Amino acid sequence: QQQVKQSPQSLIVQKGGISIINCAYENTAFDYFPWYQQFPGKGPALLIAIRPDVSEKKEGRFTISFNKSAKQFSLHIMDSQPGDSATYFCAAPLGFKTIFGAGTRLFVKA
Amino acid sequence: DTAVSQTPKYLVTQMGNDKSIKCEQNLGHDTMYWYKQDSKKFLKIMFSYNNKELIINETVPNRFSPKSPDKAHLNLHINSLELGDSAVYFCASSPGQGNSYEQYFGPGTRLTVT
Repeated sequence: QQQVKQSPQSLIVQKGGISIINCAYENTAFDYFPWYQQFPGKGPALLIAIRPDVSEKKEGRFTISFNKSAKQFSLHIMDSQPGDSATYFCAAPLGFKTIFGAGTRLFVKA
Repeated sequence: DTAVSQTPKYLVTQMGNDKSIKCEQNLGHDTMYWYKQDSKKFLKIMFSYNNKELIINETVPNRFSPKSPDKAHLNLHINSLELGDSAVYFCASSPGQGNSYEQYFGPGTRLTVT
């Protein structure tokens, strides 16, 4: 079964610190690797995405690092802020189906 | 303007009842989805429609029947509701295959079955 394994399940970071969330995938046919952010009571929203022919993509304080040989990709949140407290999902689309990781609940302490 | 809207936002009902959730997107997207998010936040695809045609049905019980009257709408009807159906249901849309990583989610419908 196609899977995307996400870790850690939860994360507590001090304000100003770096939050790192990891994902591992199995199917090499995935052609994009997005991260979604979900606040309580809201739907997930696309945060940042990377193609497998790129090793890193940065948007503001958010960076995706992609390691094709290890079949892993990670989200780094620099200078984490309390407003970043949310659940983060990695995902991998395959055709019309997107497989989501189990989610990481991030709490940034003020 | 709301890109993907769902109604109702909350739905509380008893076991055995039938209920519907409506979804509309004004993004001009070809593809729409229904997801179920359980209490542990796990997000699982249920159905995927492309240009009003059912593309994916992820082993969802027959009690769940999606209907897409046009590209902008995807409704979900649930018959004979069970306790295990309690969850948050999200509608989403994307431009289509090749852009399915770029999904826009609605605000969700919290279904509680008592």
